[in-house]
Amino acid sequence: DTGVSQNPRHKITKRGQNVTFRCDPISEHNRLYWYRQTLGQGPEFLTYFQNEAQLEKSRLLSDRFSAERPKGSFSTLEIQRTEQGDSAMYLCASSFRTSGDANNEQFFGPGTRLTVL
Amino acid sequence: GQSLEQPSEVTAVEGAIVQINCTYQTSGFYGLSWYQQHDGGAPTFLSYNALDGLEETGRFSSFLSRSDSYGYLLLQELQMKDSASYFCAVEEDSSYKLIFGSGTRLLVRP
Repeated sequence: DTGVSQNPRHKITKRGQNVTFRCDPISEHNRLYWYRQTLGQGPEFLTYFQNEAQLEKSRLLSDRFSAERPKGSFSTLEIQRTEQGDSAMYLCASSFRTSGDANNEQFFGPGTRLTVL
Repeated sequence: GQSLEQPSEVTAVEGAIVQINCTYQTSGFYGLSWYQQHDGGAPTFLSYNALDGLEETGRFSSFLSRSDSYGYLLLQELQMKDSASYFCAVEEDSSYKLIFGSGTRLLVRP
């Protein structure tokens, strides 16, 4: 396993179009997170999954955003009716964490850079 | 609300020691992490503190004081390749999601 992978690496779209990104986590990891990062800022939490269950979604996330993790493996993030403000790097991270486990390292993928024209 | 404060930029000389501070205000606290990110790259994990004290990993050390809501990352024997952005991040609940600061850009000069 070579780590977390994300596809595509770059996406340019026109305002109003729908886009979908894919994340393949490290295979044995039970937790998967999506973050968004804009230039000069730290990553911002969007949503996370434990296995196939989506357990939390950021209040900042509009209903245009939806994420899935079927079968607890890969995940997809879809943005409908894209806006210019959606332009950012979308990062996926995975980890293996159980209750009481002190191993908190999250492994990040290379990200998908979205540009909305 | 949530806030993490860290300096925006730090410059140091190769071989020197630099400390990057982080203060936080969050609704809960499980631990403080540090991540490194090179331009165009993904964040990579450096260190984690759940309890007060110092954690050492090679040239990098991280410190936490929960009573002061404060931590720092100490980088020793700086190398040119250490030039990057460094982020502190808090886990505030059992989701273990990370709340990131806005990052400190470290420039190492020869």
